[in-house]
Amino acid sequence: KAGVTQTPRYLIKTRGQQVTLSCSPISGHRSVSWYQQTPGQGLQFLFEYFSETQRNKGNFPGRFSGRQFSNSRSEMNVSTLELGDSALYLCASSLGTGGGQNIQYFGAGTRLSVL
Amino acid sequence: GEDVEQSLFLSVREGDSSVINCTYTDSSSTYLYWYKQEPGAGLQLLTYIFSNMDMKQDQRLTVLLNKKDKHLSLRIADTQTGDSAIYFCTNYGGSQGNLIFGKGTKLSVKP
Repeated sequence: KAGVTQTPRYLIKTRGQQVTLSCSPISGHRSVSWYQQTPGQGLQFLFEYFSETQRNKGNFPGRFSGRQFSNSRSEMNVSTLELGDSALYLCASSLGTGGGQNIQYFGAGTRLSVL
Repeated sequence: GEDVEQSLFLSVREGDSSVINCTYTDSSSTYLYWYKQEPGAGLQLLTYIFSNMDMKQDQRLTVLLNKKDKHLSLRIADTQTGDSAIYFCTNYGGSQGNLIFGKGTKLSVKP
């Protein structure tokens, strides 16, 4: 079974631009979560999508948005990029059915550098 | 709010055992997880433990859970240089229902 695939692996953008990151979950997984990882703040939860609906959201500004398609693939968009948005963005997929053993499987991440 | 705390660094010699400790605040999570992150990579699930268990062994890995003290540990037996990585303990917590991560413990294995 293929794992979680994130594209692109690396991105370089300039301040003020916008960026779209993509995540393809493990086949059969309906939940996709996004995390931002920085040296200073560590791993922080952005949002979770389940069956095309945002189910949970972290404490990030509205410049960060996402969506999920009917095939469970998800995209994350960051508008008006700031230097502080430079980070590793990780996507994780899970069955999303709750009940506790909701193991999240992570992709390799997209490394975003904002210049 | 909900929190997970780990020591930041651990250095061991190859062949020794490593013990990585973690404390957490949210006791409502049914499962607790350990992930490993190698440089430039995503997170790899190592193991997990059900909250009503005290111990789980999986080959070289032993997880101990003290629910009363909200303390979780990961023991790696016969640590190898390939075990050098950052280790995160995590559980589901809070109103957002997402995984709560500590800062991670960077394990360095010296030959």
